[in-house]
Amino acid sequence: LAKTTQPISMDSYEGQEVNITCSHNNIATNDYITWYQQFPSQGPRFIIQGYKTKVTNEVASLFIPADRKSSTLSLPRVSLSDTAVYYCLVSTGNTGKLIFGQGTTLQVKP
Amino acid sequence: KAGVTQTPRYLIKTRGQQVTLSCSPISGHRSVSWYQQTPGQGLQFLFEYFSETQRNKGNFPGRFSGRQFSNSRSEMNVSTLELGDSALYLCASSGGTSGDTQYFGPGTRLTVL
Repeated sequence: LAKTTQPISMDSYEGQEVNITCSHNNIATNDYITWYQQFPSQGPRFIIQGYKTKVTNEVASLFIPADRKSSTLSLPRVSLSDTAVYYCLVSTGNTGKLIFGQGTTLQVKP
Repeated sequence: KAGVTQTPRYLIKTRGQQVTLSCSPISGHRSVSWYQQTPGQGLQFLFEYFSETQRNKGNFPGRFSGRQFSNSRSEMNVSTLELGDSALYLCASSGGTSGDTQYFGPGTRLTVL
C-alpha cells in the first residue's frame, strides 16, 4: 500500500481557507485517496474521497493533479470546531486495510 | 441509515483477563475492519472480515482474534490481556468493493489495569 507524507501540524485562524497537502509518490493505478478527520477519543470521520482531478462536497474540496502523486484537502472558512487531526490515506479497492500515517494536527485559533 | 455502532464504549479489565468487543456495521455493509489506536503507535490495522471470512490481517499477535457473523456483525477478542493492550479499539465498515469508503464507529476504550 502506498505510503503518505503530510505535515505534522498546521495553524490557522477562524474564517481562513486551509489547504493540507499530502504526498503519495507510490500510488497505484487502482488506489483511491481518502481524507478523514479525527477528534480526540472519537473514531475518524470520513471527509472526502477521490481518484483524480477535483472532488467537492459540502465540507471540503479535494484536488488531485494528473500524476496523482499528491493531493490537497481544502477546507473553506475554518472554524474553531475544525481543530482536529486530519489523515490522508490511499487505499486499494477490495481491501479493508487502511494504513494511517501520523496525520496533520490542525489548530484553528480565534 | 444508522452508523457503525460499537459496544461497550468503555471497558476496564485486569491483566490476564480476556475481552470481547462488538461492532455492528452500517446496514448492507459486508466488510468490517478493526483498528487499534494508542498514543505511541497511532492507528494500526488489526484485521478485516468480509462475508464471514478474514480477508486481511495486520501484524498483531495471535491473542487478537475476531469473527464475523452472517448478519455482518463482528466481534473482536483479546485474550491474556497485557497493560499495553490499553487503547481505543475502532471498527469500520464498508461495502467491501473497489472504491468503497470505510466508515468508523465511535470506538471502545479499553483500559487494562
